[in-house]
Amino acid sequence: SQTIHQWPATLVQPVGSPLSLECTVEGTSNPNLYWYRQAAGRGLQLLFYSVGIGQISSEVPQNLSASRPQDRQFILSSKKLLLSDSGFYLCAWSKGNTIYFGEGSWLTVV
Amino acid sequence: ELKVEQNPLFLSMQEGKNYTIYCNYSTTSDRLYWYRQDPGKSLESLFVLLSNGAVKQEGRLMASLDTKARLSTLHITAAVHDLSATYFCAVDSTGAGSYQLTFGKGTKLSVIP
Repeated sequence: SQTIHQWPATLVQPVGSPLSLECTVEGTSNPNLYWYRQAAGRGLQLLFYSVGIGQISSEVPQNLSASRPQDRQFILSSKKLLLSDSGFYLCAWSKGNTIYFGEGSWLTVV
Repeated sequence: ELKVEQNPLFLSMQEGKNYTIYCNYSTTSDRLYWYRQDPGKSLESLFVLLSNGAVKQEGRLMASLDTKARLSTLHITAAVHDLSATYFCAVDSTGAGSYQLTFGKGTKLSVIP
């Protein structure tokens, strides 16, 4: 069966520090991968999606970046965090008519 | 730019009552999704609606899609406390099933005993 793992689950980072969130999918091949963010009290916003290794599309201009070094690995990064980067980050994968979300990562920038 | 609007944003209802959550979207799409989110948790898929007139039911929840009106509804029948959560609708803006979803702001439902 397919599973999606996302970590870390929670982190508190100072402004200006770097960020790395990692997501891996098991049990499938060549999935579409996504990073969504949910700011406090708001709906989810698509940040990045990828249809293959090294192929990243960005939906929102920001100081975040994404990379897909392997077929089932998706990484969200930042060189210098801003306060506005705080939120709940969700990795997801899809194939066919179904999308599956990871458990999420809570990021608090202080 | 695709806009997805849900209403109400907050809903407090008594157990046993019925209510409907509305989801309007601004551009043509025949793919609409409903999710449930419990506090601090990820999203749980409730319904996938892929065509005009689609209706799906699971337990006390029923979702429908009218693509001509660009409207989806989530109807709650005889609410119970376990249904308390935030409910999101989302529209696939590409219309190609690639899950580049645009979400509504969510409806926070509280069911009071």
